[in-house]
Amino acid sequence: KQEVTQIPAALSVPEGENLVLNCSFTDSAIYNLQWFRQDPGKGLTSLLLIQSSQREQTSGRLNASLDKSSGRSTLYIAASQPGDSATYLCAVNGGNQFYFGTGTSLTVIP
Amino acid sequence: DTGVSQNPRHKITKRGQNVTFRCDPISEHNRLYWYRQTLGQGPEFLTYFQNEAQLEKSRLLSDRFSAERPKGSFSTLEIQRTEQGDSAMYLCASSFGTGEGNQPQHFGDGTRLSIL
Repeated sequence: KQEVTQIPAALSVPEGENLVLNCSFTDSAIYNLQWFRQDPGKGLTSLLLIQSSQREQTSGRLNASLDKSSGRSTLYIAASQPGDSATYLCAVNGGNQFYFGTGTSLTVIP
Repeated sequence: DTGVSQNPRHKITKRGQNVTFRCDPISEHNRLYWYRQTLGQGPEFLTYFQNEAQLEKSRLLSDRFSAERPKGSFSTLEIQRTEQGDSAMYLCASSFGTGEGNQPQHFGDGTRLSIL
């Protein structure tokens, strides 16, 4: 069974800092990987989707990379803002199922 | 595109009662997913539909759980004889995909179930 791990579980940074969130998965036979943010009591908001044939995707201040062979993905957030405070989740598509990590709780301090 | 809509937002019920949740996906999306999420955890996959066909069910989905997607549009998730352990946020997501390809999943805001 696919297992997804996210490190660190929590992160606190001052506003303006660049940061990296990590996601690792045990089975490299994936179709794609998706990064989400989740605000308290809310559903998930899609940030970036990387297909298995791609190495990275960018959207604004966000850049996600994928190294399928090593089972790793990173989400890079540039020039962090207080509005970026949320829980960030990665999800791996292994066919008909998506497997989620437990998330990284990010706090950006003004 | 009005997004994924879930109803109700909150449901409080007594143990042993049946509950039903509804999900209206984004209209052009052919794929629909149900997840369960408890505090501090990531969503756990429950089941997946492509159009009206239920193609995957998790072992988490006991015989008290049933999901339908008639006509490939909205979906319902029913829990019979609810138990304390069923208390969780139930999330619905939809996407468009063909074969192995999948566009991003879009999530609703979930239904929070509390069992008294």
